[in-house]
Amino acid sequence: EVQLVGSGGGWVQPGGSLRLSCGASGVTFSDHDMDWVRQTPGKGLEWVGRSRNDVHSHSIEYGASVKGRFSISRDNSRNSLSLQMYSLKTEDTAIYYCLLWIAGVAYWGQGTQVTVSS
Amino acid sequence: EIVMTQTPLSSVVTLGQMASISCRSSQSLVGGDGHTYLSWLHLRPGQPPRVLIYKVSNRLSGVPDRFSGSGAGTDFTLTISRVEAEDVGVYYCVQATQSLSFGGGTQVEIK
Repeated sequence: EVQLVGSGGGWVQPGGSLRLSCGASGVTFSDHDMDWVRQTPGKGLEWVGRSRNDVHSHSIEYGASVKGRFSISRDNSRNSLSLQMYSLKTEDTAIYYCLLWIAGVAYWGQGTQVTVSS
Repeated sequence: EIVMTQTPLSSVVTLGQMASISCRSSQSLVGGDGHTYLSWLHLRPGQPPRVLIYKVSNRLSGVPDRFSGSGAGTDFTLTISRVEAEDVGVYYCVQATQSLSFGGGTQVEIK
């Protein structure tokens, strides 16, 4: 059974940094694309970025609203995906989910809350 | 970037009646491998999104058969044949053919 467990959320002031992690079990981690998605009351669901699988050389893509401020990395030896967030803005306040894709099906983690406020 | 346009914004349905949600993409969702990566999600407060349908019309294991997906190319539909109380919440279409993008969501309520 695929399980994704997120961690690292919390409260941070505008301009600050925060790092989220997502641990996966039940899969061969390096074989799969993974995404970060966030959910806000006002904007619904928004794609943050993607880490491709080893066939695609683990390339990284970012959504327009976070490009240049967020950085995605993966550690296949630890079955872990990370999201490093810099220069955080109040509009980055959201629940952040990690997703893992298998044959067109997205498996979602439980989500972690990030609050950016002074 | 593929833009997903979802309608209606909200739907008030009588228990036992049918509900339909439409989703249109700004370009074809047929991928280079011939598959169409269009899924439907259900969100309830305090819970992570639940995948109902993947690749247009495939129901995930455990999803009731009153949920069905259809469509092709750029036009897709989620149908709930007989709405039950537990079906309230927000439904989203999402495409994964090119990066990832979501529809704006449809709030389903019971009359």
